[in-house]
Formats: sequence, structure tokens, C-alpha cells
Amino acid sequence: SYELTQPPSVSVSPGQTARITCSGDALPKRFAYWYQQKPGQAPVLVIYKDSERPSGIPERFSGSSSGTTVTLTISGVQAEDEADYYCQSADSSGTWVFGGGTKLTVL
Amino acid sequence: EVQLVESGGGLVQPGRSLRLSCAASGFTFDDYAMHWVRQAPGKGLEWVSGISWNSDSIAYADSVKGRFTISRDNAKNSLYLQMNSLRAEDTAFYYCAKVYCSTTSCFDAFDVWGQGTMVTVSS
Repeated sequence: SYELTQPPSVSVSPGQTARITCSGDALPKRFAYWYQQKPGQAPVLVIYKDSERPSGIPERFSGSSSGTTVTLTISGVQAEDEADYYCQSADSSGTWVFGGGTKLTVL
Repeated sequence: EVQLVESGGGLVQPGRSLRLSCAASGFTFDDYAMHWVRQAPGKGLEWVSGISWNSDSIAYADSVKGRFTISRDNAKNSLYLQMNSLRAEDTAFYYCAKVYCSTTSCFDAFDVWGQGTMVTVSS
């Protein structure tokens, strides 16, 4: 199985743009997904298929992909966006993998 | 309302067994693949196992292969995880999760999660 690597933490002031990266060798060939998890809650899918938003997810959440790195961008960060964010993918052998998670702090 | 409710967690000694259940409601259960994902206290998410809608395709993480068995009963709208030879490192919240499908395709992602059930392996 392969690994997905995320920075442990990202900090941003309200109204600014937060960017969280996720790197993995298989990402050029496999879709990436992003989840938001707040303390004591189950994860919520915020991006699928690298850059698509499920219904109900605010437009300030967007995703992009370039080579072995995918990026979750949160534009106009709000205090309520403070959470842990996880990237996730699946490899060709039929196993799923999560990144280690990034704690987003809104200053 | 689409809902997943896990049960069966608890305190168990190392080497013993435990069976988790996940009851699904609010959607056509046998249309979707289902998965188990766990999260140790204060740690990140770890995928555990997945099963296709008809149980034809099953996969496990290396960390549980040979010890855990996933299964489902579509007639009962239920997902299961039989956990044998439990170890301290299996201590975690265990979530069941439904695969995400848009109007046209299904993806290797999870859009509905249960609230989790806690498994503690300790003597």
C-alpha cells in the first residue's frame, strides 16, 4: 500500500485563504478525496474526485491536483472551518488510505 | 434520514474477540459498498476493511488481515466486523461508512458515517 503525506498543521487568519496539501505517488492515477472532522464528530466529505464538491458543501471549499500533489483550498476562512482535514485515496490493489491529517487553526 | 448506527464496542482483553454491527437506514443498503474506518484516541483515520454490495469483493488493511472479517446481511440492512486476536493497537473508535455515489458514478470515498463505537483492548 502507498502513503499520503500531509503537513501536521496549517494556521490562517479569518478571511484569508488556507491551503492544505497531500502528496502521494499514486495520486496522478487515482482520485483524491478530502474530509473535515471537528472534535467529537464523524468526518464529513468536502471534496471528491480531486475537485468536486458534494451538495451542501460551501463554495469556499475547492480542490485541485498537480502531479503527485493534491490541494484543498479554503477561501475566506471562517472560524467554523477550524478542524482536522484528511485526504484519502484508493490504490489499484483495492485498498484505501488516509493521509495523517492536518489541523487547521483559525487565528 | 440516512443513518448508520454502530454497536458492539466495549472493553476486551488482548487475544479475545469482538463483533461490531452497523445498522443502516434511510437508503437502499444493497446498492452500496460499505467500509469500516477506525480512529485511535487523538490519532488520525485508518481504513480497516471494505465490502462490495453483493459481498463479492472484500479488502482489508494489512494491519488487520487474517484477524478481522467483514460481512453484510442485505436482508437486515446490516454490516458487521468480526474482530479476533485483538491487540492493544486495535483500540480505537470504529466507524462504518457508506460509499459515495453521485447521480452518475460511485467513488472510493465515504459520504455517510456512523457515530462510531469504541473498542478498548486492555488487560
